[in-house]
Amino acid sequence: TQLLEQSPQFLSIQEGENLTVYCNSSSVFSSLQWYRQEPGEGPVLLVTVVTGGEVKKLKRLTFQFGDARKDSSLHITAAQPGDTGLYLCAGAESFNKFYFGSGTKLNVKP
Amino acid sequence: DSGVTQTPKHLITATGQRVTLRCSPRSGDLSVYWYQQSLDQGLQFLIQYYNGEERAKGNILERFSAQQFPDLHSELNLSSLELGDSALYFCASSVAVSGSGEQFFGPGTRLTVL
Repeated sequence: TQLLEQSPQFLSIQEGENLTVYCNSSSVFSSLQWYRQEPGEGPVLLVTVVTGGEVKKLKRLTFQFGDARKDSSLHITAAQPGDTGLYLCAGAESFNKFYFGSGTKLNVKP
Repeated sequence: DSGVTQTPKHLITATGQRVTLRCSPRSGDLSVYWYQQSLDQGLQFLIQYYNGEERAKGNILERFSAQQFPDLHSELNLSSLELGDSALYFCASSVAVSGSGEQFFGPGTRLTVL
């Protein structure tokens, strides 16, 4: 059983469309991170959110941490083929344990 | 390039064998994390070391062990290997001891157990 559930698992969209990926849990996390992973490579950190209700923007990506610090969302505006990859959320317990979601595989078609 | 190096990149071995995976963290990072990524389990946290000491344990099997050396590189030892141990093994490093710090992942070691 995954502590963090991500949805959808797979997403295939056309270039220019918007999308939202969700990361949900029944646990409270001290921080939550979003990563993108390309095939054959390690995950690369996109953002860390720490405060409940926090919203962070990274160009066309908008990240939100739920008020109760149990869930998060990633919204991509005007997706591009370069956004293709596996998106992972990871929640940190009080100190050092990280729990990763199962991931969302995004494919953006030109 | 994250600055984290892992060797070897690929490893093929037989059931029952023992292997050692090596990780060198980014310069200045004191924390090393080990993760296992398999198709059906996703990315699972195994263990964390900070400045040579074990700080957190995840779903690490008793057949697996790790250590961090004075020069801060870390090794993950996997013994009595089973087919189900086939996976990508990642190490990540961070400067912080606690979980809010950014982790930088290495390129991974792909282990295949035949």
